[in-house]
Amino acid sequence: LAKTTQPISMDSYEGQEVNITCSHNNIATNDYITWYQQFPSQGPRFIIQGYKTKVTNEVASLFIPADRKSSTLSLPRVSLSDTAVYYCLVGDESGGFKTIFGAGTRLFVKA
Amino acid sequence: NAGVTQTPKFRILKIGQSMTLQCAQDMNHNYMYWYRQDPGMGLKLIYYSVGAGITDKGEVPNGYNVSRSTTEDFPLRLELAAPSQTSVYFCASSSAGGQDTQYFGPGTRLTVL
Repeated sequence: LAKTTQPISMDSYEGQEVNITCSHNNIATNDYITWYQQFPSQGPRFIIQGYKTKVTNEVASLFIPADRKSSTLSLPRVSLSDTAVYYCLVGDESGGFKTIFGAGTRLFVKA
Repeated sequence: NAGVTQTPKFRILKIGQSMTLQCAQDMNHNYMYWYRQDPGMGLKLIYYSVGAGITDKGEVPNGYNVSRSTTEDFPLRLELAAPSQTSVYFCASSSAGGQDTQYFGPGTRLTVL
């Protein structure tokens, strides 16, 4: 069963900052929040992972409030090449090794 | 490192035929996964393995079989192909389970007619 809720799609323009929010009300104490990016005809690739507060890398930032029931992936100054599907994942209920991908958020960046 | 490789890239099967999708990784990862992705949908886990000789079912295992005789290879077997198995199949691997980063292969696009 999917544990996360994301918007189905978003549109943006080049140069804008894009924020994609994911809801995970039933996140467990030991769960991390992980985001993947998938371009058409390719497999997903890891973008960023965090447990709490804020994480930043060269690609994106991840904001996690204190209650951890949601998280926001922030993409600064998007370009056309950021058009992709973005998946938010948290640990499976079993705490084991199964990863559940939902439908993701389709981001379309326009010129 | 080649990472995760999958063969073939494309395949068309007739209903009732069988085939094996190959997956190999050269990162010495213990964990390997098979997903399918239907058009416009997210990924669904078919089977996974936590090490050589150990496999377990995911969300949608019916119609598929797997084996893991080596750390490197994790083939997916389709017996009696059906149109419902038309999909893109992705193999992935990770060093550890749970939250560890998964590395995906390029995918195999399968059509069953």
